Amino acid sequence: GNSVTQMEGPVTLSEEAFLTINCTYTATGYPSLFWYVQYPGEGLQLLLKATKADDKGSNKGFEATYRKETTSFHLEKGSVQVSDSAVYFCALSANTGFQKLVFGTGTRLLVSP
Amino acid sequence: SQTIHQWPATLVQPVGSPLSLECTVEGTSNPNLYWYRQAAGRGLQLLFYSVGIGQISSEVPQNLSASRPQDRQFILSSKKLLLSDSGFYLCAWTSGGDEQFFGPGTRLTVL
Repeated sequence: GNSVTQMEGPVTLSEEAFLTINCTYTATGYPSLFWYVQYPGEGLQLLLKATKADDKGSNKGFEATYRKETTSFHLEKGSVQVSDSAVYFCALSANTGFQKLVFGTGTRLLVSP
Repeated sequence: SQTIHQWPATLVQPVGSPLSLECTVEGTSNPNLYWYRQAAGRGLQLLFYSVGIGQISSEVPQNLSASRPQDRQFILSSKKLLLSDSGFYLCAWTSGGDEQFFGPGTRLTVL
């Protein structure tokens, strides 16, 4: 079946450090890939997405590239801020009719001043 | 513009009591609706989804049920809560495209 694997957290960084959160997936066909962010006490918000191989999604300084050869969609940001502290979820949609998302377990990011 | 509401925001219930969580969507018609649960320290688990009024699909066997009495209303219920039902419940909708839009969530604590 379809699945998403994310790196264990928490990831603890100092402000302005470089961020990478790893995400790999298993899916049949050609899924769409997503990163969602959850700030404390809130629901999830879509951060970025990519719908086909080699696409790069980007938003708010974050970016991720759809790598079919390595089945990966790693999230990166060149310089994190304290306000980026949140839980980040990688997800896929199998694009086989009804849209259902399969989520990873989430990675908590803590950024200190 | 579209908005999604959930209530209550927080709920503390004793074991064995009933549950009703409500989700409503504004600004769209015939959305696909979803209920997810996020247990402490875990990812999101899809519980139910609905493609239309009265149409409910269950993803996992459990103590919960869902109903969709109106086009933009989705209700999560239980007749008798268990300790294991504690968690953060999220409602989401989509118009059929890629992106799902999430509500603010309900934090349920069962004591």
